[in-house]
Amino acid sequence: AQSVTQLDSQVPVFEEAPVELRCNYSSSVSVYLFWYVQYPNQGLQLLLKYLSGSTLVKGINGFEAEFNKSQTSFHLRKPSVHISDTAEYFCAVSEASDDKVIFGPGTSLSVIP
Amino acid sequence: EPEVTQTPSHQVTQMGQEVILRCVPISNHLYFYWYRQILGQKVEFLVSFYNNEISEKSEIFDDQFSVERPDGSNFTLKIRSTKLEDSAMYFCASKEGPNSNQPQHFGDGTRLSIL
Repeated sequence: AQSVTQLDSQVPVFEEAPVELRCNYSSSVSVYLFWYVQYPNQGLQLLLKYLSGSTLVKGINGFEAEFNKSQTSFHLRKPSVHISDTAEYFCAVSEASDDKVIFGPGTSLSVIP
Repeated sequence: EPEVTQTPSHQVTQMGQEVILRCVPISNHLYFYWYRQILGQKVEFLVSFYNNEISEKSEIFDDQFSVERPDGSNFTLKIRSTKLEDSAMYFCASKEGPNSNQPQHFGDGTRLSIL
């Protein structure tokens, strides 16, 4: 069964500093990987996705993520964060043979001015 | 950009009452989903729906829950007799085709509060 782990529940970081939000997954089959962002009092917005091909994926708002099959990881990075990046970030996985999306517990990113 | 819209944004209901949460998926999408997020917990899959049938449901989606596409645009989640533990944020999602590599588009959610 697939599962998603986000080891850091809260990540505080100063404005303009780099950030990495960690995500690991477990699955016995091929997966598709996603990062969603949830701004305060809003819904889930897709940041980026990995389907196949290049392991480095670029998304909106300057975020990128790298798929590492051997480590079963899909960490999210941004070289310089902004106050507006303060939000909850969810890593998610979907198996090729299944339709539902399995979400990780989320990481709360707080950008400090 | 087309959006999934959900109404109401916040619903307060007495325990034991029926509640209907409404969603308007993106117009050319054919696959529909409901998820819920209990406060402080992760987003959990409830049910998927295609061609007027439930495709898959989780163990959370018991007999108290039902989904319906009553017309060509709305997709509803009904909870027949609400319990305190049904308090959560409910998200509707849709996607265009069957491939699981297509991302699901989510609405802003309905916050359901059971008193």
